Order: sequence, then structure tokens, then C-alpha cells
Amino acid sequence: AQSVSQHNHHVILSEAASLELGCNYSYGGTVNLFWYVQYPGQHLQLLLKYFSGDPLVKGIKGFEAEFIKSKFSFNLRKPSVQWSDTAEYFCAVNARQLTFGSGTQLTVLP
Amino acid sequence: DGGITQSPKYLFRKEGQNVTLSCEQNLNHDAMYWYRQDPGQGLRLIYYSQIVNDFQKGDIAEGYSVSREKKESFPLTVTSAQKNPTAFYLCASAESGAGGNEQFFGPGTRLTVL
Repeated sequence: AQSVSQHNHHVILSEAASLELGCNYSYGGTVNLFWYVQYPGQHLQLLLKYFSGDPLVKGIKGFEAEFIKSKFSFNLRKPSVQWSDTAEYFCAVNARQLTFGSGTQLTVLP
Repeated sequence: DGGITQSPKYLFRKEGQNVTLSCEQNLNHDAMYWYRQDPGQGLRLIYYSQIVNDFQKGDIAEGYSVSREKKESFPLTVTSAQKNPTAFYLCASAESGAGGNEQFFGPGTRLTVL
């Protein structure tokens, strides 16, 4: 069965700091990879996705993620976070069904 | 205004009672999904449906039931057999059940069993 691990449960950063959230998955076949974000009081929404091609994908609000197949990883990055990035971030992998990681709560201090 | 609606936003239930959560979408999507979100556990798949009149169990289907009589509707019933039903329930839809399709999520229903 496929599984997704997000090792950082809660990350606290100051504005302008750089962000990297880890995501590792276990599945040997072809996968589609996603990062979703849940802002306080809002719907879960798609941040970015990888299907094939360039392993560096760019999403909304300056976020990007890199797929490293050899490491089974899909880490999320942003060079400079803002207070408005405070949210919960979920990595998800879709092989036979969409499987979510446990989530990372990001708090950005002004 | 296209999207997914879930009702009610908050729901309280006494132990031993069944309760049905509503999910409606006007995106003309074939696939619909129900997830349960618990703190520190992410989202776990309860049931999904790739087409009308067909649905499949997800990872934690025990104690839940669904129906898909109409394309736009996918109600979830939490039965008295569900041992720990207090949670946040999210409904989602996608154009199809193919793996690459983005899932769109509703606002959720928070169920509390008293």
C-alpha cells in the first residue's frame, strides 16, 4: 500500500525566512504528486502538482516543489515566506487512490 | 458560482444515532470522494465513487455508508456502528477518477457525538 510521510508536524518561521517542507512517499510505480494547502477557515485547495516532465514544478503564491524519484521525495519550498502563508500543508500521492500525509502546520510570525 | 457545498457546517449527534452528511457539486464531475480529517492524521479516504450508481470502499469505510443516485450528490451516512465518529468530514470531486486529476474540496462538516 502507498503511504506518505511528512516529517515536520509544526514549523514556525519569521517573515522572509526560507521554507522547505519534507514529503516522502512509498510506492514503486508511477505516481502523481500534489501539495494542498488549508488556510484558516478556508477550503483545502491545490498548491501545485507533478505528473511528468520537469521535476521542478511551480505553483501558486511563489511555491515550488521538486520531485526526486531516487529519493521518493517531493519537498515543498518557498524562498521567502509571508505572514499570509500561515496554514496547514498536505502532501498527497496518487497511484491507485489519493493518499495524504499527516500535514504540516506552518506558522509565520510577523 | 461553481463548487462543492456541504451541509450542515456543524452537526451534533447523540450516541447510537445515524446521521447523514450532505455533499453536492455543480462542477459536472464524475468522481466524488469522502474523507475524514483528524488532528495529526491528515485526510483518510472513507468512500469514493467514480460514476453514478457505483461506489467503492476506501481505507476506513467501516461504520459508514454512501449512495450515488445522482451525479451531483454523494451523501455520507455515519452509522451507530462507527466507534469514533467525532471528526471533520470533507467531500471532494474530480473530473474523473484518473490519478492525475485535481480534487476539489468542499468546506467540510464538523461532526460531534455527544
